[in-house]
Amino acid sequence: EPEVTQTPSHQVTQMGQEVILRCVPISNHLYFYWYRQILGQKVEFLVSFYNNEISEKSEIFDDQFSVERPDGSNFTLKIRSTKLEDSAMYFCASSGDRSNTEAFFGQGTRLTVV
Amino acid sequence: AQSVTQLGSHVSVSEGALVLLRCNYSSSVPPYLFWYVQYPNQGLQLLLKYTSAATLVKGINDFEAEFKKSETSFDLTKPSAHMSDAAEYFCAVSDGGATNKLIFGTGTLLAVQP
Repeated sequence: EPEVTQTPSHQVTQMGQEVILRCVPISNHLYFYWYRQILGQKVEFLVSFYNNEISEKSEIFDDQFSVERPDGSNFTLKIRSTKLEDSAMYFCASSGDRSNTEAFFGQGTRLTVV
Repeated sequence: AQSVTQLGSHVSVSEGALVLLRCNYSSSVPPYLFWYVQYPNQGLQLLLKYTSAATLVKGINDFEAEFKKSETSFDLTKPSAHMSDAAEYFCAVSDGGATNKLIFGTGTLLAVQP
């Protein structure tokens, strides 16, 4: 069964450092998403990506965040200068089209900023 | 704006007992509703979804949910709990808009007692 793959599963970084979280969406999907879940809180939408550009972003997704699809298979989330409050589980998801098909989620990357 | 409220952050049932997890939504447009399950150290897996067809939706592992427009609810049920059902359950809503992003509830942690 096709699945969304995220690497790494865990990442520890020092405050102020840049991190890149990687995702390989399902190959024929068109819509890509990043969500995050701070420990003990709800899963929050960060950004959606379609046709090689951001289609929507939340207020959380400020200038320190960026996404790209560099090679047609990977989908990355970059946090430019990490803060303690960026510590969270980050989930990548993809879906095939807009007709409300299922969004498939990856296993998540647990980011810890120290 | 859309929102989801899950009643009860923790629910405990005995093995073999009925599982009932409550979800209320708010949406200005006809909603699409989802239940996701998250097992420990895993990603989010879709249990079932409502997309304006039948109001009683059947999902995996004998879970089902009923869409009640008058009560703005989408409660998840399972007739007989198994130990393996212990997990966190998230209700989510989408407006089917341009990005089809999901808005999640805060989650309900289900414990199953032997």
